[in-house]
Amino acid sequence: GAGVSQTPSNKVTEKGKYVELRCDPISGHTALYWYRQSLGQGPEFLIYFQGTGAADDSGLPNDRFFAVRPEGSVSTLKIQRTERGDSAVYLCASSPWPGNTIYFGEGSWLTVV
Amino acid sequence: GENVEQHPSTLSVQEGDSAVIKCTYSDSASNYFPWYKQELGKGPQLIIDIRSNVGEKKDQRIAVTLNKTAKHFSLHITETQPEDSAVYFCAAFMDSSYKLIFGSGTRLLVRP
Repeated sequence: GAGVSQTPSNKVTEKGKYVELRCDPISGHTALYWYRQSLGQGPEFLIYFQGTGAADDSGLPNDRFFAVRPEGSVSTLKIQRTERGDSAVYLCASSPWPGNTIYFGEGSWLTVV
Repeated sequence: GENVEQHPSTLSVQEGDSAVIKCTYSDSASNYFPWYKQELGKGPQLIIDIRSNVGEKKDQRIAVTLNKTAKHFSLHITETQPEDSAVYFCAAFMDSSYKLIFGSGTRLLVRP
């Protein structure tokens, strides 16, 4: 079946604007993760969902970042009042259940100008 | 919390030679160790993984070894090919936190 799907693949926004990044996990996967990857670095954990609830949001850098997964499938990462330092690739990943293999999407490249 | 260190940061080998990338982890409770390959502009792709009850795992030209006592694990690629050129990431996972923590990556270049 289809892999993890992320939209948009690229987003350029002005400083101070609001952005939403969408993730469609692999069908049937209960665990969903968001990671952020800056150039030349490894992915950094942001938040993990088990079903509809955020089981661990300890990686969110500040209160401008928020994520939801209202029906336990699609998830949206929301960034308010974007700053240039938010520019990065935002990766979504899913897993059949916690502790199983984690599959990544292609990422959403966010550029804040 | 968990910390994963990865070496080397860059590795250049001649086509046909072997490549070895090493990682260490800090939390002895980590029990799952995947390796991902990332090509430019793409997401990380799982290439092999190992769980803590196994010391070695092979898949064609790729192998991973795990030393739980020393908290080391390594990726071995034999008979390297130009298409193996990419950035490789190791990672460690704890069941207690359900977080996958990544190393900083190794840029592998296979020279034809």
